[in-house]
Amino acid sequence: GAVVSQHPSRVICKSGTSVKIECRSLDFQATTMFWYRQFPKQSLMLMATSNEGSKATYEQGVEKDKFLINHASLTLSTLTVTSAHPEDSSFYICSASEAGGTDTQYFGPGTRLTVL
Amino acid sequence: QKEVEQNSGPLSVPEGAIASLNCTYSDRVSQSFFWYRQYSGKSPELIMSIYSNGDKEDGRFTAQLNKASQYVSLLIRDSQPSDSATYLCAVNESEGFQKLVFGTGTRLLVSP
Repeated sequence: GAVVSQHPSRVICKSGTSVKIECRSLDFQATTMFWYRQFPKQSLMLMATSNEGSKATYEQGVEKDKFLINHASLTLSTLTVTSAHPEDSSFYICSASEAGGTDTQYFGPGTRLTVL
Repeated sequence: QKEVEQNSGPLSVPEGAIASLNCTYSDRVSQSFFWYRQYSGKSPELIMSIYSNGDKEDGRFTAQLNKASQYVSLLIRDSQPSDSATYLCAVNESEGFQKLVFGTGTRLLVSP
């Protein structure tokens, strides 16, 4: 149980394009999903908290107009990196907490974004 | 600012030994504590959660929590080379909606 998937697992794009990453909870409903970014040899950095049916809450320093988050259902959240630049190249990981459960977060496998 | 502190390591232990990983946290009212394992290039996977003072055992893993000392640890018995990874300690942020604060992780190396 508690499986979270992400798609795509890897994406390479040109500078200036937009990239959408999907995060799905496969066997549970997730009221809350989280988006993290991790640069090489660094720890997880929380970007935003996504609640189903409401606007995402962004961490300080994260541009909400650049990183668009949509949590349209209890099993799907999407992160769109708009006008991506090489400095946005990173490992993006989502996690989900089960609705009505504890605050345990289950992580997706991550998406490695490379912007050329 | 709420913080979770871990020694970055690497912590090197021989195969079959006990590995002891430690974590301290700053928020006195935190109630939920987690250990995640992250292999290089992969996302974190949950090892254990602990909510009450004392020990919690799951197979070769034992989590220990001492809220008075704001300290949580993870013991790995009979360490295997496959246990070599970075171990992340996470603590719930009492004021945030299910948010977790992560430590920077301790890198564990188990030598054959």
